Amino acid sequence: GQNIDQPTEMTATEGAIVQINCTYQTSGFNGLFWYQQHAGEAPTFLSYNVLDGLEEKGRFSSFLSRSKGYSYLLLKELQMKDSASYLCAVRDTGVALIFGKGTTLSVSS
Amino acid sequence: NAGVTQTPKFQVLKTGQSMTLQCAQDMNHEYMSWYRQDPGMGLRLIHYSVGAGITDQGEVPNGYNVSRSTTEDFPLRLLSAAPSQTSVYFCASSPTGKQPQHFGDGTRLSIL
Repeated sequence: GQNIDQPTEMTATEGAIVQINCTYQTSGFNGLFWYQQHAGEAPTFLSYNVLDGLEEKGRFSSFLSRSKGYSYLLLKELQMKDSASYLCAVRDTGVALIFGKGTTLSVSS
Repeated sequence: NAGVTQTPKFQVLKTGQSMTLQCAQDMNHEYMSWYRQDPGMGLRLIHYSVGAGITDQGEVPNGYNVSRSTTEDFPLRLLSAAPSQTSVYFCASSPTGKQPQHFGDGTRLSIL
């Protein structure tokens, strides 16, 4: 079956680094997406990995290992505005996305 | 560009009523999709479309119908609303199915 696992909640302090893990078991793999969703708002796209390795975008980086069915999102220099849910999503064999349940990150001062 | 526009933003229905949630995009995207988001469940795909005249079922299609007569519009119809359909509904689009999706602001639907 299709399964995507993420931790439910994480906490961190301003200025710190946090890593949000995502493991997946899907029938196929055509890419992994990370989205950010603030409470009461729509998800917004953060990053995309289709090949193994690290993709860096400013304070955010995402890593993929297809052989391990594993990805992580790394957030550096945390700010209060980074408090949000982070959604991992996998495109399996077609165009449909399968989302994990999301990780709620709380950043405190 | 307005992006992805969903209407209404909020709606309360009674059990058994029917309703259409509207979704429109002005980016000429071929791919459009509908998700529902429930607490503790994440986003689940209801239906999607890879172009005008083409639709397909997602993970949770029961109780919902869609059509795609134009590139711009992708309405979601609830045929006979049930309390289990109380949720936040998001519409999303992308140039093709393989690119990141742009989400609308959502419709918060309560069924009594």
